[in-house]
Amino acid sequence: DADVTQTPRNRITKTGKRIMLECSQTKGHDRMYWYRQDPGLGLRLIYYSFDVKDINKGEISDGYSVSRQAQAKFSLSLESAIPNQTALYFCATSDSRTGPTQYFGPGTRLTVL
Amino acid sequence: ELKVEQNPLFLSMQEGKNYTIYCNYSTTSDRLYWYRQDPGKSLESLFVLLSNGAVKQEGRLMASLDTKARLSTLHITAAVHDLSATYFCAVGNSYNTDKLIFGTGTRLQVFP
Repeated sequence: DADVTQTPRNRITKTGKRIMLECSQTKGHDRMYWYRQDPGLGLRLIYYSFDVKDINKGEISDGYSVSRQAQAKFSLSLESAIPNQTALYFCATSDSRTGPTQYFGPGTRLTVL
Repeated sequence: ELKVEQNPLFLSMQEGKNYTIYCNYSTTSDRLYWYRQDPGKSLESLFVLLSNGAVKQEGRLMASLDTKARLSTLHITAAVHDLSATYFCAVGNSYNTDKLIFGTGTRLQVFP
């Protein structure tokens, strides 16, 4: 079983709809991250969380919100989706105790029409 | 503001040849990562470099870090088709090293 899972894997939605992307991990890591990937732009950090009570904005948080429901779950919401939020979204985790490497989930491909 | 630049953006190389991918960054950092991404797949961690002069090798890939020059290199030795992928470097922000800034990636294509 994958250590970091994301649901859904693919989603097509319409402008103005509310969308939630979910991330779960079984690695026992305390830190979780949300990135988006656009062609030619690499990955950009949206939000990150160092523990359940800690939420921080990344480079491009406008139009997004997050919720850390438990150590193992970190959700990303688009309150009112717009077409330029069409992208590939990745969740990642890391462990403050064992090292800096971030481990990525399989990604969610989101299309906003 | 930390900026990370990779070059080349696209690299087509013949099997058996050597080549180097460069990653330059604009502000002080002592934490640099290399990731690999296959088409339609997630990112796989290759190397984490944590100090000036750090060198790590895995198979045909070798990564190094020069923090004074703000430069990391990923050297490919005797390329094989299986190395075809997109390679990203990412740099940890000096104030918050878990806040990564990614380069735009180098798409490597190895042909016979």
